[in-house]
Formats: sequence, C-alpha cells, structure tokens
Amino acid sequence: GAVVSQHPSRVICKSGTSVKIECRSLDFQATTMFWYRQFPKQSLMLMATSNEGSKATYEQGVEKDKFLINHASLTLSTLTVTSAHPEDSSFYICSAPDRLAGDLYEQYFGPGTRLTVT
Amino acid sequence: GNSVTQMEGPVTLSEEAFLTINCTYTATGYPSLFWYVQYPGEGLQLLLKATKADDKGSNKGFEATYRKETTSFHLEKGSVQVSDSAVYFCALRLTGNQFYFGTGTSLTVIP
Repeated sequence: GAVVSQHPSRVICKSGTSVKIECRSLDFQATTMFWYRQFPKQSLMLMATSNEGSKATYEQGVEKDKFLINHASLTLSTLTVTSAHPEDSSFYICSAPDRLAGDLYEQYFGPGTRLTVT
Repeated sequence: GNSVTQMEGPVTLSEEAFLTINCTYTATGYPSLFWYVQYPGEGLQLLLKATKADDKGSNKGFEATYRKETTSFHLEKGSVQVSDSAVYFCALRLTGNQFYFGTGTSLTVIP
C-alpha cells in the first residue's frame, strides 16, 4: 500500500526555538494532508488540514501563528512549531488520503514525530 | 456532533483469551467506521474497516460489524496473542477524509 513518512521521528528542542516536521507521501500525490496531535494516553486530535496551493485550515482552538503549515508540493507538507514551549511536547502525526477509485480514498498515516521541548 | 466513544483501558488478557473492545459512535451523516492499531513508538495502522451498515470488517483474526441500530462497531478476536499488545483506536470518517477518533484502548496480552 501507499506510504507516508515523517521526519524527524524524534526531536528535542529548547524552549523558545522553532521546530519543523516534514510529512511526505512516498508513492502517491496528496493535495490534502492532515496534521494530528496526540497527548499521552489520549486520542488523536485533528489540528489542521494542509492544502496544496492554498492556506491550511485550522481546527478551533489551534493557533495559526504557533503551528505554521506549508503544503510545499503534492508530496510534502511541513508543520513548524514556532517558539516552542514545554506544553507543545507531544506526538505529532500526519496523514494523507490516496485515491483508490472515484470518490473512494484510503487514508494513510505517518509514523509520527515525538517532540520534546525542554 | 460527531464523536466516538470506546471502552476505557487498559485491558490485560492472557494469551488465547477472547477480546472485545466496545466502540459506539455519534454521527450526523453516514460514516465509514475503522479500527486502527498503534504499536509502541509507531504511527497508526489500519486494522479493518466497514463502510456501510451490516458490513463486517476483518483482518488478522480481528472482526467488527457495523451496527447502525446500536451505533456500534465493537472489535473482537477469538484468541489473542502476545503480538496483539498495542493501543486500538476506533474511528469514524464522514465526507472529506476527516476522521474522528476514540480515546484508544491499550491492550496487553501476557503469555
């Protein structure tokens, strides 16, 4: 099946710095990608929808200026956590839909990025 | 609104025991339903899915039936193995590829 990769898999940064996380669809094109955040022992919460060629759509309560999303190409979306703070420490997961046929899509998830802000 | 409620864990079972993880949903439309599995340190992997009422999804010995009348999609396996230890997420998807996830149920299978 299709594969979605994320880089880095783990990152530790100091408070106040910015961190960029990449999400790539390896063998298919994705005009839309999704970014989720997962807190320990909790579910995935959708943060934003990344749209190739247009602005990202953010869920209610997610700060646009804090979590910058750029859908640079049909296979790459990046999430930049700006001025990171310890409360931003979390597991970030992206996903991308691959069109199977007609309006039928299969959603593929990346392996996630563990961000730790010290 | 749209939401998924699943059985809280953690669940600990002995090898070869029967597994049930309950999942119910609330949706404004006609969702597709999914079970995803997350192994330690990894992302989500699709385990099985069902796209309409009365469909049964199955994979690797796991099964779940889409029950519209009870708005449920309970996950079952007749005989669990140690390798099944993971966190299981129930999810629904409406149009537009947006998913709503349950809180996850951690399963530990002991030899």
